[in-house]
Amino acid sequence: AQSVAQPEDQVNVAEGNPLTVKCTYSVSGNPYLFWYVQYPNRGLQFLLKYITGDNLVKGSYGFEAEFNKSQTSFHLKKPSALVSDSALYFCAVRDIEGGSYIPTFGRGTSLIVHP
Amino acid sequence: NAGVMQNPRHLVRRRGQEARLRCSPMKGHSHVYWYRQLPEEGLKFMVYLQKENIIDESGMPKERFSAEFPKEGPSILRIQQVVRGDSAAYFCASSPRHMDLTGGTGELFFGEGSRLTVL
Repeated sequence: AQSVAQPEDQVNVAEGNPLTVKCTYSVSGNPYLFWYVQYPNRGLQFLLKYITGDNLVKGSYGFEAEFNKSQTSFHLKKPSALVSDSALYFCAVRDIEGGSYIPTFGRGTSLIVHP
Repeated sequence: NAGVMQNPRHLVRRRGQEARLRCSPMKGHSHVYWYRQLPEEGLKFMVYLQKENIIDESGMPKERFSAEFPKEGPSILRIQQVVRGDSAAYFCASSPRHMDLTGGTGELFFGEGSRLTVL
């Protein structure tokens, strides 16, 4: 079985400060991990993914995420937050070796960047 | 724009009526996923379809909900005899191929969603 947890319902950060949105996962084998962003009344947009290779993955809009196998985490980060980054962020996982082709999404974390 | 198209964007129904939500995948994509988004619950998987074939419907409620993806035309999510608890945003996503062990490893492409309100 696969699962993903986003422990924070909301993250508040001041514009210009670094931001981190947390995600932990549980799979039986090696995971495929994804981050998506959802702006109000819009669909989800893909930000970045980890499949294999370098643990630090760079994605759209200056976001990056670090895969940590020992901590089963895939936290989303950005060095300097923008007000326009305010949105709902979803982490997702697929357990490839477990045979899953259906991504499981977390509950989402609302990121609020204050001017 | 060859993105995932969903319609209607907003749908209002009274209890007991039927709701039909449509989804046209991205050009070249043959696999469709339906998810439901409720406040406080995040995004919940409902059904995964290929043209003329339901691959996985483990997330679909056993009654009143059905989905299809015909050879021609969009995928349809149908909710019969709607109740207030069906009020939610329903998202469709597509992928270019079956995401099995040897297949696509990539992301899903989402539509803008259909927001159903049941009065």
